[in-house]
Amino acid sequence: NAGVMQNPRHLVRRRGQEARLRCSPMKGHSHVYWYRQLPEEGLKFMVYLQKENIIDESGMPKERFSAEFPKEGPSILRIQQVVRGDSAAYFCASSPLIGGYGYTFGSGTRLTVV
Amino acid sequence: GESVGLHLPTLSVQEGDNSIINCAYSNSASDYFIWYKQESGKGPQFIIDIRSNMDKRQGQRVTVLLNKTVKHLSLQIAATQPGDSAVYFCAENVKGGSEKLVFGKGTKLTVNP
Repeated sequence: NAGVMQNPRHLVRRRGQEARLRCSPMKGHSHVYWYRQLPEEGLKFMVYLQKENIIDESGMPKERFSAEFPKEGPSILRIQQVVRGDSAAYFCASSPLIGGYGYTFGSGTRLTVV
Repeated sequence: GESVGLHLPTLSVQEGDNSIINCAYSNSASDYFIWYKQESGKGPQFIIDIRSNMDKRQGQRVTVLLNKTVKHLSLQIAATQPGDSAVYFCAENVKGGSEKLVFGKGTKLTVNP
């Protein structure tokens, strides 16, 4: 049973380009969470999704950021018109239950905006 | 703002010693707490968790203590090994709230051989 798979592991984008980060949850997990981590800091919640539904996006910037978890395929975190401040590690986690139980994190995507 | 924080940002210990990493939280509604280990370039790895109806839980070489009176959480690692070197985060989940976890900034543990 593969863990949470994120790709790409590293992504370099120029300012103004779009970044697409993918996350395939563990088999049987229907809850997906995205977190952002700046250097030397803890993870900050961005968005929580279940299949085809955004449940909580309170941590996601209102502009340029969007997330989806379609019925088929991975969850996608999309950042439009990236700026240098978007450079960070983006982690996806999945769980089979609500309440934070059974959280499993992926290895993350490190986004660098040049 | 964040409700979870750590007292010590760095901790250096000798191999074989016991390590104690502390965490303070401010949200009394939190009912579930988790400790994660994060090695360089990797995602957080679950170590141990505890629910608010407990005050102690033991795993293999690790123990988590929860003091709800003073809103304090600690992770004890017995016989610390070089492979334990990493950044350790505590995280909390608020009962009845969003499913998000709130993380502290982390403590960097360095184990000297």
